[in-house]
Amino acid sequence: QVQLVQSGAEVEKPGASVKVSCKASGYTFTSYGITWVRQAPGQGLEWMGWISTYNGDTDSAQKFQGRVTMTTDTSTSIVYMELSSLRSDDTAVYYCARRVSSFYYFDYWGQGTLVTVSS
Amino acid sequence: EIVMTQSPATLSVSPGERATLSCRASQSVSINLAWYQQKPGQAPRLLIYGASTRATGIPARFSGSGSGTEFTLTISSLQSEDFTVYYCQQYSNWPPITFGQGTRLEIK
Repeated sequence: QVQLVQSGAEVEKPGASVKVSCKASGYTFTSYGITWVRQAPGQGLEWMGWISTYNGDTDSAQKFQGRVTMTTDTSTSIVYMELSSLRSDDTAVYYCARRVSSFYYFDYWGQGTLVTVSS
Repeated sequence: EIVMTQSPATLSVSPGERATLSCRASQSVSINLAWYQQKPGQAPRLLIYGASTRATGIPARFSGSGSGTEFTLTISSLQSEDFTVYYCQQYSNWPPITFGQGTRLEIK
């Protein structure tokens, strides 16, 4: 069965970076892109960006450009999302999700990774 | 950027009754619209894509309709597990992908 398993919770200081992983299983890894969506406490969903697991192409929301780096390791079926220059308002649950083929909706989601930014 | 607006923010309905949730796009998204359900402490779950196609395993009481800028998610006979938060998402014009702010469905 399709599974996306994310790394555990992180606590970081302002100005630091965090790297979250998302390990995929149960399907052909390079056939589906992976997107990242975050959710601040009590808030809605915010799209951050997407990576092609086939060729590594990325797209990201303008507000994260220059701060977010997404990479893919086809040998381990893991996608990474690194967010730098962390601020307190980056405190959120970060989700990876599988993008459906050439469309841009998401059929399987990881369990989420809580990133807390606090001094 | 396409802005997605959901209404109402909170909807109170009795179990067994019908719930109608609305989502409006700031410009046409054709039928490139998905609905998700999110329960507390869980990841979102895909309910509907293409505005009206139920995802795998989604019960028939969930239905979607609409095109262009106006969309509706209908839950025909509410079960206890349906009382949670619902989000719409457009995927017509990106980046960025955009979500509505959510509708909380609560027990009346």
